[in-house]
Amino acid sequence: DAGVTQSPTHLIKTRGQQVTLRCSPKSGHDTVSWYQQALGQGPQFIFQYYEEEERQRGNFPDRFSGHQFPNYSSELNVNALLLGDSALYLCASSLFFIGGEEGYTFGSGTRLTVV
Amino acid sequence: GNSVTQMEGPVTLSEEAFLTINCTYTATGYPSLFWYVQYPGEGLQLLLKATKADDKGSNKGFEATYRKETTSFHLEKGSVQVSDSAVYFCALRVPGGYQKVTFGTGTKLQVIP
Repeated sequence: DAGVTQSPTHLIKTRGQQVTLRCSPKSGHDTVSWYQQALGQGPQFIFQYYEEEERQRGNFPDRFSGHQFPNYSSELNVNALLLGDSALYLCASSLFFIGGEEGYTFGSGTRLTVV
Repeated sequence: GNSVTQMEGPVTLSEEAFLTINCTYTATGYPSLFWYVQYPGEGLQLLLKATKADDKGSNKGFEATYRKETTSFHLEKGSVQVSDSAVYFCALRVPGGYQKVTFGTGTKLQVIP
């Protein structure tokens, strides 16, 4: 049973560029959440997708956007990259109807470096 | 809002020592509580969880008890191994499908032989 798959694992971008990160949730999961983890910090919630809609959003600017596809996979897009966007981006999947009793299943993350 | 506070790290222990990592929380409603572990270069793995007061979560020798009266969920292990070296995150999630998981800042554990 495949867990959460993220791609690419690493990438380097230049300031001002745009980037797309991809995530395939664990089999059977229908909800995808994205987190940003700066070096030495805890993960910070970006947004959550369920039924192809953004359901909740953290304190991130509109430069951060996303999408969920009918097969539950998801993309995170970041426009006009800043040096401060350098971080590990984590995708987490869950099953919506179980709600708060379960945690998330995380992918290994995408390490984004902005130069 | 919801928040999690963890003890500052790093924590350095000798192999077979006793481990405690403190965690307290603030939340609306009755959250579920979690400990996640992150090994170098990897994502987060769920270590254990507890969903109501006085529940004890356990896994791989680690334990944590949901203490509603002190709003705490301290992580303990009786005898740590070098392989336990990692960053440990305390987290909570309040009920509801839309609810996100809120993490603490993490505590780095280094176990030396």
